[in-house]
Amino acid sequence: DAKTTQPNSMESNEEEPVHLPCNHSTISGTDYIHWYRQLPSQGPEYVIHGLTSNVNNRMASLAIAEDRKSSTLILHRATLRDAAVYYCILRDGDFGNEKLTFGTGTRLTIIP
Amino acid sequence: EPEVTQTPSHQVTQMGQEVILRCVPISNHLYFYWYRQILGQKVEFLVSFYNNEISEKSEIFDDQFSVERPDGSNFTLKIRSTKLEDSAMYFCASSDLRGYSYEQYFGPGTRLTVT
Repeated sequence: DAKTTQPNSMESNEEEPVHLPCNHSTISGTDYIHWYRQLPSQGPEYVIHGLTSNVNNRMASLAIAEDRKSSTLILHRATLRDAAVYYCILRDGDFGNEKLTFGTGTRLTIIP
Repeated sequence: EPEVTQTPSHQVTQMGQEVILRCVPISNHLYFYWYRQILGQKVEFLVSFYNNEISEKSEIFDDQFSVERPDGSNFTLKIRSTKLEDSAMYFCASSDLRGYSYEQYFGPGTRLTVT
């Protein structure tokens, strides 16, 4: 599996935007970039995914660099409920049933 | 909104005992997974299951582990003879590829404590 690199932890103030970076310099052409998060004492939860173009959904936005070697998950207005560990994961788009390989992720703390 | 459910939420067992962890995946999903997370560590893949057979398993998933879909709704993980190091949160997940959605939906987990 291609590797991703994320900061161990980040802090943000409530109601401000949060930009969570992910580096994936060895990404292959068929790898999709997925983001999951894990709230305290819960199972992981899908956030968003993309291939080349930026993506938006009700939870977040995903900005993908033109060379695809990095991406940024954007929470537009962080709430206390967004405090979680965020995982950036690469998955081969040709095998949609492929397992998820979790790293250590970024622990996001929201300051009231 | 449909969700994956798991029972029990917490299971305490003695070393050497057999345990069965139960999951009810989302009803129209086709792929099923088990993951585990030892306290303070990463979420680790154990096994994936499709069309009534294992499609992939990790090194962790040795002969002590087995999975089964005994009926149209349940998906179980059995550990034959538990060890202390099997203590972890066990998460079931499911996904539906018919709509080309690659999301995996996770259950709330079962905390297994082996004493």
